[in-house]
Amino acid sequence: AQSVTQPDIHITVSEGASLELRCNYSYGATPYLFWYVQSPGQGLQLLLKYFSGDTLVQGIKGFEAEFKRSQSSFNLRKPSVHWSDAAEYFCAAHGTSGTYKYIFGTGTRLKVLA
Amino acid sequence: DTGVSQNPRHKITKRGQNVTFRCDPISEHNRLYWYRQTLGQGPEFLTYFQNEAQLEKSRLLSDRFSAERPKGSFSTLEIQRTEQGDSAMYLCASSGVGGSPLHFGNGTRLTVT
Repeated sequence: AQSVTQPDIHITVSEGASLELRCNYSYGATPYLFWYVQSPGQGLQLLLKYFSGDTLVQGIKGFEAEFKRSQSSFNLRKPSVHWSDAAEYFCAAHGTSGTYKYIFGTGTRLKVLA
Repeated sequence: DTGVSQNPRHKITKRGQNVTFRCDPISEHNRLYWYRQTLGQGPEFLTYFQNEAQLEKSRLLSDRFSAERPKGSFSTLEIQRTEQGDSAMYLCASSGVGGSPLHFGNGTRLTVT
């Protein structure tokens, strides 16, 4: 069955530190991959997407993600975290054939220490 | 692009009542999705439409849930005989084709008392 896994439920980092959020997918073929952010009381906002080509993808707010086919991973990174990055982050995938539903991971809640 | 609009923002209802939510997608998007999100969880797929056709419905969705998109524009999600377990945020999203990203509305928060 198709699935998206985010192994870390909570992550705490200090402001200015680097960040990496993990995402693994299980699909028959490489899906389209996305990262979304959800701040308290807000809707989900797209950070970045991967379709094909360059495996390092740049997004908004200084985020980037790296696609690794061999590890079925699409990890989100940021070199220096700001207090405003505290939010919940969701990885999602969309198959390239058959069903066109988007499958989301359970999310990683990021806490930023001042 | 006025974004995805959902109404109402909040709905409180008594157990056993019926509720209906509305979603207006981005006008040029032909795919419309409904998701449910509970606290601490990711969005859970409910159903999606391409134009007016409902192409997939989650097996987790009971017969009390029904969705329509009559003219391929706005969509409604109805829950009949609500139960306390239906309390959640109901999210609507729309997209173009070809793996385009989902654009989400702000959701309708349902509380069943």
